[in-house]
Amino acid sequence: KNEVEQSPQNLTAQEGEFITINCSYSVGISALHWLQQHPGGGIVSLFMLSSGKKKHGRLIATINIQEKHSSLHITASHPRDSAVYICAAPSGSARQLTFGSGTQLTVLP
Amino acid sequence: GAGVSQSPSNKVTEKGKDVELRCDPISGHTALYWYRQRLGQGLEFLIYFQGNSAPDKSGLPSDRFSAERTGESVSTLTIQRTQQEDSAVYLCASSRTRDSYEQYFGPGTRLTVT
Repeated sequence: KNEVEQSPQNLTAQEGEFITINCSYSVGISALHWLQQHPGGGIVSLFMLSSGKKKHGRLIATINIQEKHSSLHITASHPRDSAVYICAAPSGSARQLTFGSGTQLTVLP
Repeated sequence: GAGVSQSPSNKVTEKGKDVELRCDPISGHTALYWYRQRLGQGLEFLIYFQGNSAPDKSGLPSDRFSAERTGESVSTLTIQRTQQEDSAVYLCASSRTRDSYEQYFGPGTRLTVT
């Protein structure tokens, strides 16, 4: 069983829709990452959060440490938001990231 | 400031050849990670360096894989006798320290073994 699970695997939305991607993890962590991967393969770190909520532009990330659950929300989605979104949790003595399988988001104009 | 850089961006090699991938972390970052992503699969951890400590090699898939890091700067990932299953995007990330958690990713090297 993967220690970090995401849902949904694929998500298609119309431009302007509110989007939610969920992440559950079984490892004990004190912080969680949300990453964005574009078709070229490059990865950008969107958020690292350990409690509560963080907001950056149209992106909002929340985390509930007790329930081991995090969500990434995109408000007023746009086709340029189309990408793979990955949650990842640091684990192990090296704090290496354990990654979810990713959510492929496609936003249609 | 400069981010994490990797070279080459793309590498095509014949099965059985050795390849070397390079990562330049952000200056001052003591922690450096290598990950890989095979086609259609998720990211997986390969190896971790922290300062002058012994590296954590627990993610390396076979003894054909090795990595070095010069102090707190450049790292090279070497794959010997490449196999087709080694085809993947190899990503490097650096972090100020292991415990600062936030990792900054390079653009990756896409390796294709023919």
